[in-house]
Order: sequence, then C-alpha cells, then structure tokens
Amino acid sequence: GQQLNQSPQSMFIQEGEDVSMNCTSSSIFNTWLWYKQDPGEGPVLLIALYKAGELTSNGRLTAQFGITRKDSFLNISASIPSDVGIYFCAGREEYNFNKFYFGSGTKLNVKP
Amino acid sequence: NAGVTQTPKFQVLKTGQSMTLQCAQDMNHEYMSWYRQDPGMGLRLIHYSVGAGITDQGEVPNGYNVSRSTTEDFPLRLLSAAPSQTSVYFCASSQGTGYYNEQFFGPGTRLTVL
Repeated sequence: GQQLNQSPQSMFIQEGEDVSMNCTSSSIFNTWLWYKQDPGEGPVLLIALYKAGELTSNGRLTAQFGITRKDSFLNISASIPSDVGIYFCAGREEYNFNKFYFGSGTKLNVKP
Repeated sequence: NAGVTQTPKFQVLKTGQSMTLQCAQDMNHEYMSWYRQDPGMGLRLIHYSVGAGITDQGEVPNGYNVSRSTTEDFPLRLLSAAPSQTSVYFCASSQGTGYYNEQFFGPGTRLTVL
C-alpha cells in the first residue's frame, strides 16, 4: 500500500520557537491534509491543500503542497503550550478520491 | 449536531469473541470510513462506504466486516477477535468523496484483545 514518510517522529521545543515538519509520498497526490490529535481524541483537520504549490495559512500554521505533488510541509510559528499533540499528514492519490493515507505522526512537545 | 459518535469507548475481548463497534453521524454525510491506529503507525484505512448499500475495502480489511444499511450508521464487525486487532479504532465521515470534503472523526474506541 501507499507509504507516507513523515518526519521528524518527535520534537521537543521551547515555547516561542518555530516548528517545521514534512511528509513525502511514493506516488502523486491530489490532496494533502494536516491534522492534530490530542490525547484520547480523534484527529482534527488543521489545513487542507488541493493544488501543487498551494500555500495556505491557518493562524500560526502554514502548510504547502509541494510542486512535485509528492510532498507537503507544515510550519508552526511562535509555538505555545497548547500546540502540544501529535500532528499527522494525510493525502489522497491522484486517481482515487475514496482512500486517504496517513503518515505516522510527529509528536510535538512544547516546554513553557 | 452530535457529529460523529462511537460506542463503546473502551472494550476488552477474549480471543475468538465477536463484537460490533458502532459509528453514527447526524450530518447526512455520504462518505464514512473506519481506521485503526497503532502506536507509531498513524491511521490505516480498514473499510469505507460512499453511500448506503455501498462499501469497499481499505488498506487493512482482513478480519473486519462492514455494512451500510442507512446513511447515518456504519458498524464495524470483528467476527473472531485476535490479539493483533488490539488497537484504537476511529470512524470518520465527510459530505462526499470529491474535492473539498473534510473528514470529521469520532472520539475513538480503544479495543484490547486478550
């Protein structure tokens, strides 16, 4: 099946620092999504990307759909303690709208 | 709107037992899906449905059955539970399957098979 490589696996940062994580796929995607999951909860969508090169922001979060359509990154600026959680990338292949594939997640820890 | 609801929240089974995980949504969404989440592996698609009466397999369908008799409900059945099915199960739904359809996730069911 499709493999999404997400890195880094975990990050320990100081409050106020910027964070960057990325995801690569083995095939071309038509959609990239970024989710956040808090402990004991289901994932919540942060940003959705639908076009190669697209750069989209949601508050302090910015994500980009890579030009090759095989990668995406998420940046968080000026991190705060409530940013703690697991961030997942997800996407759909070019010719299959019905199946979403998820990365293994980036666990973010923010020290106040 | 309750969104996507899942029951039970926790379940412990013995090997060989059967059970059904329930999922319901009140948003009139066409698309519903089931995922399992294992440590360090992200979410993997088990089965999905694009509408009542239509289901299809995802990445990891073996050992699981689904049916979709109504738009609202999409139960996941384990016919003979195995320890390898110990996981957290998430149900999700979205308006449709085309572009610009956000998936909403339920709170999850934590299943342990002894």
